[in-house]
Amino acid sequence: EAQVTQNPRYLITVTGKKLTVTCSQNMNHEYMSWYRQDPGLGLRQIYYSMNVEVTDKGDVPEGYKVSRKEKRNFPLILESPSPNQTSLYFCASSEGPLRTYYGYTFGSGTRLTVV
Amino acid sequence: KNEVEQSPQNLTAQEGEFITINCSYSVGISALHWLQQHPGGGIVSLFMLSSGKKKHGRLIATINIQEKHSSLHITASHPRDSAVYICAGSNTGNQFYFGTGTSLTVIP
Repeated sequence: EAQVTQNPRYLITVTGKKLTVTCSQNMNHEYMSWYRQDPGLGLRQIYYSMNVEVTDKGDVPEGYKVSRKEKRNFPLILESPSPNQTSLYFCASSEGPLRTYYGYTFGSGTRLTVV
Repeated sequence: KNEVEQSPQNLTAQEGEFITINCSYSVGISALHWLQQHPGGGIVSLFMLSSGKKKHGRLIATINIQEKHSSLHITASHPRDSAVYICAGSNTGNQFYFGTGTSLTVIP
């Protein structure tokens, strides 16, 4: 089944403890991206990647890192999480800009709480 | 002012009604996306369009590039259509501009 797999689904952590949220897709998609969703603010793009070893900042990249060493994986790294990074995170992938009829495939989301 | 504005914010309809959700944008975009988010949080991409009209089952999406406006229509609405519908624009630089969503409730 074509899908984007995010792990973990839920995570509670403490301020300053490094964490990684994994994202993997099995569709050989070139484009992958990370978003956070907050009440009243909606979805905001954190980082995106056009292909292996190519990453770019979105609207809210501060406090986050990403890497794209393989086409299928695009992990989101929080080196020193803070409470303002408590949010619902989504990973998404697509074949590439304007090449997909239905758009993007999203992961199931990761609900992160930083205390 | 948000780059992407949706209306209405909340919408309640009776089962079977024809529903329209509107989206206006003020920035240059190369594609307009409609997303669906059910309670529980998962997001599904419904449409990506750069011109004209697309149809998938009971869902129809249209875009008027000159007026910078898109609509999502649901025909013969059903309670399972209850969800938040999000409009988003993307440009060739892969920047995304998201609307804040329209919460739809369809009553049996």
